[in-house]
Amino acid sequence: EPEVTQTPSHQVTQMGQEVILRCVPISNHLYFYWYRQILGQKVEFLVSFYNNEISEKSEIFDDQFSVERPDGSNFTLKIRSTKLEDSAMYFCASSPSRGLADSYEQYFGPGTRLTVT
Amino acid sequence: AQSVAQPEDQVNVAEGNPLTVKCTYSVSGNPYLFWYVQYPNRGLQFLLKYITGDNLVKGSYGFEAEFNKSQTSFHLKKPSALVSDSALYFCAVRDIAELIFGQGTELSVKP
Repeated sequence: EPEVTQTPSHQVTQMGQEVILRCVPISNHLYFYWYRQILGQKVEFLVSFYNNEISEKSEIFDDQFSVERPDGSNFTLKIRSTKLEDSAMYFCASSPSRGLADSYEQYFGPGTRLTVT
Repeated sequence: AQSVAQPEDQVNVAEGNPLTVKCTYSVSGNPYLFWYVQYPNRGLQFLLKYITGDNLVKGSYGFEAEFNKSQTSFHLKKPSALVSDSALYFCAVRDIAELIFGQGTELSVKP
């Protein structure tokens, strides 16, 4: 069964450094998402991406964050200058589309645990 | 704004007993509701969804959920709990593109 993959599984970085989290969505999916989960808190939406541009983003997704689909398979989240409060589990998700009822669920990757020291 | 609430931080049941994990929602328009499960150090796995149609939705691993419009609830149920069902369960509602998650309920099934 196809699945979303994410690398690395754990990333440790120093405050102020740039990090890039990588995701490979399911191959025939068209919509891509990033969420984060701070330890002990709920999962929060960051951004959605379709047709090579951001379609929606949350208040969390400020100028420090950017997303890119550099080729036909990878979907990346970049944090330009990490802060301590960026420490969280980051989940990538994908879905085939939004227009059909059967495709509304999003398929999540296993997550990247980001630790900012 | 769309939201979901899970009133219980933790639910404890004995193996073989029925389980219920509660979720209530607040939406404008038709609700698109989901349940996901998260095992330790793992991602979110889709269990089931309600988009339209029958109020009783069946999903993976023997779980089902009942959509109740008058009570604005979407409780997750299973007739007979297994120890392996122990995990963190999230209710979610779809808002345009994003999923809005509840705070999660820790389900503990004891032998």
